Amino acid sequence: QLVLTQSPSASASLGASVKLTCTLSSGHSKYAIAWHQQQPEKGPRYLMKISNDGSHSKGDGIPDRFSGSSSGAERYLTISSLQSEDEADYYCQTWDTGIRVFGGGTKLTVL
Amino acid sequence: EVQLVESGGGLIQPGGSLRLSCAVSGFSVSNNYMSWVRQAPGKGLEWVSVIYSGGTTYYTDSVKGRFTISRDNSKNTLYLQMNSLGVEDTAVYYCARDHPDNSGRIDYWGQGTLVTVSS
Repeated sequence: QLVLTQSPSASASLGASVKLTCTLSSGHSKYAIAWHQQQPEKGPRYLMKISNDGSHSKGDGIPDRFSGSSSGAERYLTISSLQSEDEADYYCQTWDTGIRVFGGGTKLTVL
Repeated sequence: EVQLVESGGGLIQPGGSLRLSCAVSGFSVSNNYMSWVRQAPGKGLEWVSVIYSGGTTYYTDSVKGRFTISRDNSKNTLYLQMNSLGVEDTAVYYCARDHPDNSGRIDYWGQGTLVTVSS
């Protein structure tokens, strides 16, 4: 079964960097994923796609502070120079024929 | 500019029906894979349904037989017909577009419409 696992919460200081992790289920380690950001009381926004080779494709207008990488079954979202508006929920998403799957989300707090 | 605007949400009694609409601009619903995704209050995102450009449809197990995804190409609008609604269907419903490479990644979202199922 295709499942994505995320830590429920993360925190980092203003101006620092943070790395969020999304883990693919066993047998699905080569799948690409997408990262989405949901700021409080807003709809989600697509950030980028991360392939299993670590290559990524960003959405329109996504700042360079956001980057992605990959290692084995893990896909990462790194946010550098954290700003207050980065405080949000971050969801990873993957797909197969006829399904789309979301991770449980990580709530990022900017201290 | 790509835009997706949902409408049709509201308060409905258990067992009732509701049809959500998603009017899109900046691209054609007929040429793209389109999904509905929902978010229950205080919870994460849950994929509901997808319609492929060729018309094939898929649903998550909990809504099979109750929900129907469709589109009107002439109106460039996506729909979600929801029947036999239960309190567990209470959520904000988002329409979303798959990237045109048809990989399955969502690259644009609407702002959502709230459906509340309650007596």
